[in-house]
Amino acid sequence: DSGVTQTPKHLITATGQRVTLRCSPRSGDLSVYWYQQSLDQGLQFLIQYYNGEERAKGNILERFSAQQFPDLHSELNLSSLELGDSALYFCASSVGQGRNTEAFFGQGTRLTVV
Amino acid sequence: AQKVTQAQTEISVVEKEDVTLDCVYETRDTTYYLFWYKQPPSGELVFLIRRNSFDEQNEISGRYSWNFQKSTSSFNFTITASQVVDSAVYFCALSEARYGGSQGNLIFGKGTKLSVKP
Repeated sequence: DSGVTQTPKHLITATGQRVTLRCSPRSGDLSVYWYQQSLDQGLQFLIQYYNGEERAKGNILERFSAQQFPDLHSELNLSSLELGDSALYFCASSVGQGRNTEAFFGQGTRLTVV
Repeated sequence: AQKVTQAQTEISVVEKEDVTLDCVYETRDTTYYLFWYKQPPSGELVFLIRRNSFDEQNEISGRYSWNFQKSTSSFNFTITASQVVDSAVYFCALSEARYGGSQGNLIFGKGTKLSVKP
């Protein structure tokens, strides 16, 4: 158990809908990262937050947004869902954001869009 | 452009065999960081190693070893005396210097699925 909690574990929804994925980082970790793992694109970095502020952005679609709250949990919002958004979404957290910090990944949320 | 290539899609070995997973990367940065992760059937990603571009020393951790060669832009991973529990998908990843080696904005390879049969 990495200490990173993602909810829900599984989510099935219809095209056009909006969902929210939640991530609770390990206690004391200030940095949160979101990744998407799909069959087509593989593992892709989406976005990073550090202590409530956005720090890095990857291949995140405009239909997707994220935030990190004062209690350091993070939410990834996916809207106007398409079939191609079906994927495993990972959250990871680390104490800091430099090279001496190890990130720990959650179990992921498997999103299925039908 | 930054890119990571894991040419081996799937590898199957018998227990106790040694196996090497290949990773070739492309980057224009002179400072960068390389990583290996393991994804077992349960789905979580497990961090194995991080190496910066200035440290070309090979590393050994138990049955695991890594061979970093800047001259060939490769960062290969060898499992010695493989075990069934090593069965997983293994990912190699690259991080740009501007992220200071953090595990954000990692560029992953497509992964190599390793099956170790008893």
